[in-house]
Amino acid sequence: EIVLTQSPATLSLSPGERATLSCRASQSISSYLAWYQQKPGQAPRLLIYDASNRATGIPARFSGSGSGTDFALTINSLEPEDFAVYYCQQRSNWPITFGQGTRLEIK
Amino acid sequence: EVQVLESGGGLVQPGGSLRLSCVVSGFTFTDYAMSWVRQAPGKGLEWVSSISDSGFRKYYADSVKGRFTISRDSSKNTLYLQMNSLRAGDTAVYYCAKHTYSSGGDFDYWGQGTLVTVSS
Repeated sequence: EIVLTQSPATLSLSPGERATLSCRASQSISSYLAWYQQKPGQAPRLLIYDASNRATGIPARFSGSGSGTDFALTINSLEPEDFAVYYCQQRSNWPITFGQGTRLEIK
Repeated sequence: EVQVLESGGGLVQPGGSLRLSCVVSGFTFTDYAMSWVRQAPGKGLEWVSSISDSGFRKYYADSVKGRFTISRDSSKNTLYLQMNSLRAGDTAVYYCAKHTYSSGGDFDYWGQGTLVTVSS
């Protein structure tokens, strides 16, 4: 099973700042990584697929990068609605696995 | 517009059974794989099971293998999860999610979830 480790666990920033979230895989997953945003009481929402492609309707301030084992989600100029929990997920091998999540909170 | 709607959750005793349903619309159901993903209270996301577009290939997390069965009915645009021998650790919100491809991929549409509580 491929383990995804997200860091930091919690990130405290102010609106307008840039957020960089990390996801590290226990073995190479090529570019088969996705990022999701989840707000309280809501289902997850797909943000990024195949490491760097924005999903339909996702603002350009969200970008993804990386390949192999190291990946990042960058959110430029944070908006109030961006404060949420973010998960990475790999589809390189079964079972599909998720990272433990990064909570992005308002400083 | 794609819609995904789960039902069937509730309170069940340990060792009991429950069947979840997920009705979808707004896309060609038979073109995409589907999955169940769960989230225990206050915890992260855990993939549970997936089924290919045809229903031929099925995958399960080790934690549910032998107890849960995924299936789909193309005539009803419905995905199912039969859950047997339920344990307290199965308590979670269960999400139905559409994959981006016929055999897998990421999850581009999710339902709002149905809560399963296993308790005596």
